[in-house]
Amino acid sequence: AQRVTQPEKLLSVFKGAPVELKCNYSYSGSPELFWYVQYSRQRLQLLLRHISRESIKGFTADLNKGETSFHLKKPFAQEEDSAMYYCALSALSTDKLIFGTGTRLQVFP
Amino acid sequence: DVKVTQSSRYLVKRTGEKVFLECVQDMDHENMFWYRQDPGLGLRLIYFSYDVKMKEKGDIPEGYSVSREKKERFSLILESASTNQTSMYLCASSRPGRSNEKLFFGSGTQLSVL
Repeated sequence: AQRVTQPEKLLSVFKGAPVELKCNYSYSGSPELFWYVQYSRQRLQLLLRHISRESIKGFTADLNKGETSFHLKKPFAQEEDSAMYYCALSALSTDKLIFGTGTRLQVFP
Repeated sequence: DVKVTQSSRYLVKRTGEKVFLECVQDMDHENMFWYRQDPGLGLRLIYFSYDVKMKEKGDIPEGYSVSREKKERFSLILESASTNQTSMYLCASSRPGRSNEKLFFGSGTQLSVL
């Protein structure tokens, strides 16, 4: 079965500290992985996807097939990074996304 | 700019009522989705549609139905609302094909069933 696991409900850091939001997935084929973000009072939006290999707002995520992980990282957190972050998986045969339970990131000044 | 519009931001209904949640997208997307978002449970897929008059069950379809009579509109129906259906409901749309496409979400409808 396809599953996305985000083990941390809440991650609190101080401004300037490194951030790593964990995401592990369960899928037997070749998945596509995404990170979505929801800022306060805004709609859910795409942050980045693994196939693009891009850095968005200083965030990066590398797909590790051996560890079935897609952790989101940023070397220096900013207060405006405070938000809810969801990891999501898309299976080969479908356009639907399976989401994790989300991690709330709080960045303190 | 891309738009997915959900007709109501807040709804309050009574147990047993029939509830309609409406979603309209202006991007000519084939795919449309309904999720519910609950603290600690994340987003769970209720139903999705790949085309007009086509629907498929997601992970938690019980107690819900959907209607897709036009490409731009996807309605979620609660046949007989119950208190455990109190939640934030998110509609999304996308073009078919995974590789470079993404979901565009609406602002959500917070439904309270009393």
